[in-house]
Amino acid sequence: ETGVTQTPRHLVMGMTNKKSLKCEQHLGHNAMYWYKQSAKKPLELMFVYNFKEQTENNSVPSRFSPECPNSSHLFLHLHTLQPEDSALYLCASSQLSLIPNQPQHFGDGTRLSIL
Amino acid sequence: KNQVEQSPQSLIILEGKNCTLQCNYTVSPFSNLRWYKQDTGRGPVSLTIMTFSENTKSNGRYTATLDADTKQSSLHITASQLSDSASYICVVRGVYGNKLVFGAGTILRVKS
Repeated sequence: ETGVTQTPRHLVMGMTNKKSLKCEQHLGHNAMYWYKQSAKKPLELMFVYNFKEQTENNSVPSRFSPECPNSSHLFLHLHTLQPEDSALYLCASSQLSLIPNQPQHFGDGTRLSIL
Repeated sequence: KNQVEQSPQSLIILEGKNCTLQCNYTVSPFSNLRWYKQDTGRGPVSLTIMTFSENTKSNGRYTATLDADTKQSSLHITASQLSDSASYICVVRGVYGNKLVFGAGTILRVKS
């Protein structure tokens, strides 16, 4: 039990579909993150939210649209994705993104496949 | 450019043997370095964090070392078990901008 729950665990979608990934944390944290993990590559930070306000967007294409309605929930809305977007999408949370020694707690990810 | 390089890329060892994973970084100035373990199909889990003043830190059979002068860290696993099979990720936090820089990981397979 990680304290960070992601759904769905697996998702297969066509390039014209619209879908959403969901993340929920039960740790009382105030920062939430979306990462992309591709095989044999370092994790890529996509978005950071602190107190449900977006504080970082690492030049992510607009076909990825995050939403953070409160500090416990984070969504990633997907539309018109490309085959190279196939990857494991990880959600994480921490007390605050600016506290340097705090670990990030990760969910188990959504494995996304674009047909 | 801030980078974190991990070696080897993958490693296979026999159960009961020891192994050492390496992490070299260029991030400067440096705030801390953390090792994560990522089991197959799971998210990363923090094993240990090293700050500038720390040279060695242990967590059970895992021992991390840090040489801030040469910008190198290692993760030593003693008496490996099948459950140690995972990807091990080194993450360095820089001081400026509080940015995290991730390594690509070392995939460890322990076989019986």
